[in-house]
Amino acid sequence: SQQGEEDPQALSIQEGENATMNCSYKTSINNLQWYRQNSGRGLVHLILIRSNEREKHSGRLRVTLDTSKKSSSLLITASRAADTASYFCAILRGDGAQKLVFGQGTRLTINP
Amino acid sequence: DTGVSQDPRHKITKRGQNVTFRCDPISEHNRLYWYRQTLGQGPEFLTYFQNEAQLEKSRLLSDRFSAERPKGSFSTLEIQRTEQGDSAMYLCASSLEGGGGYGYTFGSGTRLTVV
Repeated sequence: SQQGEEDPQALSIQEGENATMNCSYKTSINNLQWYRQNSGRGLVHLILIRSNEREKHSGRLRVTLDTSKKSSSLLITASRAADTASYFCAILRGDGAQKLVFGQGTRLTINP
Repeated sequence: DTGVSQDPRHKITKRGQNVTFRCDPISEHNRLYWYRQTLGQGPEFLTYFQNEAQLEKSRLLSDRFSAERPKGSFSTLEIQRTEQGDSAMYLCASSLEGGGGYGYTFGSGTRLTVV
């Protein structure tokens, strides 16, 4: 069963705007990761944030983690048409589980 | 090598036939994962290997599914007596083992269509 739930399921914005996607989960975690998937392709790892971290940056990406609320957000600043993709959060549970559990994803469309 | 390779990219098969998919992970990675993804959904875990040992299998993996990773290198996923419900994208990923967790490197997937 899916542990992470992304919100919104779909997001459409204009090029240059910022895009924010949220992820909620139910268990304790070791870390939380975000992935991008272009249509019909495999997933690409974007960023990993550990349970003792609150914020991480990578280029135009900013990820926050609030373990008390069991939620994370992914912010993409100054969006580009090439950012059009599905974005998934995935958790590595804190109970020693050894595989990532993915959410349902947010479909992001950047309009030129 | 520069990434995870999966073969074939697409497979169309008739219901009841057996199919086998191959995954070549990044050579330095000792962990290999298989996931299944249907349209509009996130990847669902099927099984994973650490080196040649299969350490976990999902309850999704019925007895028609079998996976191997001989010698801890490439892996195969076989589906016997395919059903229409097996139609999906089958994704392979590899990673380094580590307590703190590492990101996965995914292949491009094998899209299976059962007709």
